[in-house]
Amino acid sequence: KNEVEQSPQNLTAQEGEFITINCSYSVGISALHWLQQHPGGGIVSLFMLSSGKKKHGRLIATINIQEKHSSLHITASHPRDSAVYICAFRVIQGAQKLVFGQGTRLTINP
Amino acid sequence: DTGVTQSPTHLIKTRGQQVTLRCSPISGHKSVSWYQQVLGQGPQFIFQYYEKEERGRGNFPDRFSARQFPNYSSELNVNALLLGDSALYLCASSRVSAGGFGYTFGSGTRLTVV
Repeated sequence: KNEVEQSPQNLTAQEGEFITINCSYSVGISALHWLQQHPGGGIVSLFMLSSGKKKHGRLIATINIQEKHSSLHITASHPRDSAVYICAFRVIQGAQKLVFGQGTRLTINP
Repeated sequence: DTGVTQSPTHLIKTRGQQVTLRCSPISGHKSVSWYQQVLGQGPQFIFQYYEKEERGRGNFPDRFSARQFPNYSSELNVNALLLGDSALYLCASSRVSAGGFGYTFGSGTRLTVV
C-alpha cells in the first residue's frame, strides 16, 4: 500500500466549477505540502500545512491530522488552473525527505 | 532573489555513460534535496544534503551519488546510465534540514538515455 494516495488521478471540469482534490496518507507526518506542476516540469509550492486550513486567493487547503486526510479546493476554476496537483508530506522520523503522491491531472475547459 | 537554478535543462545521453546535474539553491538556503520523477509518477527522493553532509538517501543504487559544495550548490552524478534513468531530475532547496520550512523547487533537468 502506498504511503500516500491521491484522488482523483484525472479530473476534467468546466470553467467556474468548484474543484476538490483529495490526499490520504498512512504515516505520521510533520507537514503536508500541496504543489502545482505545469507541463515542462517546474514545481511550485502552493501550501504547507500542519493543521487546520489555509487560503490563498481561490485556493484553499485543509488537513485533518486525526483522519490523515487533506484536501485542496479551487473555487471559480479557470483554464489557467490546468496543471498537475501533487500532495507531499514530510515524515516525523527518518530521512528529511518529501514523500509525493502520484498527482492529480486537472484540466479546466473554457 | 533568484530561484533554484538547475543545469542543464535538457540532456541526452547514451546507455553506459555518466552524467552530472547541477543545482544552485536560493541564497541563504543550506539544504538541497534531489528527486527523480519518471513520466506519469510523483517525484521520488534520491538524496538530501545539509551543510555539505548527506542527511538522507533514498532507495537508489550506488550508481547515484551527490555532493554539496561550500557555497551550498550541489551536483548529482549518475554512472553507467540505464534507459530507466530517463526522467526529470528535480532539485529542491530549503533553509534548514528539518522543521516547518517550505521547499523551493527548480525547473528540473530532463534526462533522456538512449
